[in-house]
Order: sequence, then C-alpha cells, then structure tokens
Amino acid sequence: GENVEQHPSTLSVQEGDSAVIKCTYSDSASNYFPWYKQELGKGPQLIIDIRSNVGEKKDQRIAVTLNKTAKHFSLHITETQPEDSAVYFCAAGGGSSASKIIFGSGTRLSIRP
Amino acid sequence: DTAVSQTPKYLVTQMGNDKSIKCEQNLGHDTMYWYKQDSKKFLKIMFSYNNKELIINETVPNRFSPKSPDKAHLNLHINSLELGDSAVYFCASSRKGAEAFFGQGTRLTVV
Repeated sequence: GENVEQHPSTLSVQEGDSAVIKCTYSDSASNYFPWYKQELGKGPQLIIDIRSNVGEKKDQRIAVTLNKTAKHFSLHITETQPEDSAVYFCAAGGGSSASKIIFGSGTRLSIRP
Repeated sequence: DTAVSQTPKYLVTQMGNDKSIKCEQNLGHDTMYWYKQDSKKFLKIMFSYNNKELIINETVPNRFSPKSPDKAHLNLHINSLELGDSAVYFCASSRKGAEAFFGQGTRLTVV
C-alpha cells in the first residue's frame, strides 16, 4: 500500500522568508497529491493540490511541485506571514486504492515575527 | 452551511463504556472516511465507505464498528473503550480520488 513520508517535522522561519516542506510517496500509481493546513482545534483544510499530469501549480504565495520519477512533491510558501503558522500535511491518493488518501506525518510550521 | 459535521465535539467517558460519534455530509459525496489523530498529530485512516459499502478497513480493533445508514452518514461506534483510544477522530468525505473535506473533529478522552 501507499506510504507517505514528510520532512521536516517542525520548521521555524522568520516572517517574510520562504518555507519548504517535502514529501515522498511509494505507490507509483498515486495520481493525486493534496496539501492540508490544520489550525489549532480545527480539522485539516485543503490549501492546494496537484495531479500527476502537472509538474507545478501555484496559488498566490503557495506553490507545489511534483516529480513523478523520483516520487516526491514539495510545498513552497513564500513571504510567510504569522497566519501561516499551523500544521501542514501532505497526502497521496488515487492510486491502487482510489478511495484512500494517505497522509504524511505533518510539519509544524512556526513563523517568527 | 456546514459541509461535514460530526457530533459531539468533545467526549469524555470512562474505560469500558460504549460510545458513538456521528457524522453527516451535505456535499453529495459518495465516499466517507474516519481518521484518527493521535497526540503527535499523526492522521491515520481507519475506515472508508463508498456508497454505504465498506471499502477500506485498516488495522483497527474490532471494538470499532462503522455504520453507514445512507451515503450522507457515517457513524463510528466504539465498544469497551480503552485509555489508548483517546485521540481526536475526524470524519471526512470526498468524491472518488479528489479533495477530502474534514469535519471539525471529536476529541475523545477516556479516563
């Protein structure tokens, strides 16, 4: 089955700097890669996703890149702001079990003022 | 309107009790899930239902029993609660192979 690894587990960056979170996946059949943001006391919410037919996707300060050959994908947040502080999860799905979305272990991002 | 709603938000109960968590989605999705999030924030899938049919059942004790009376509901019943069951349980729904929408979570504390 699918296995998703995520690094780093914690990340602290200065406000205004960029943050990068990386994930790898094991199931080459996976074709859907969402990123979720979880704020304290809330459920995870989708912030951006990418499908396997695309190498990069950008939405304002957030971008995701996908390398299918290497089976890794990354989240990039530019010009970080205090409200970006949260736990971020990568996930992979749509592979051998199309109804299964497997999450990485999460990255706690802290933005220093 | 709340897309995925689960109740209760907090649940404190004694060891050995039986409890249920309810989940409803109004998005018209065919697939619903239960995830468990432990104290280290790991999100692990427990069950997945598609059109009321169980399609994923991860290694979960059989004290946990999901029930889907219809496509819009997926409830989780837990028998003989143990201390290790304490966690936040999230319900989610999605179209097949697409974004999952999560409920706000149920924080279960077993004492």
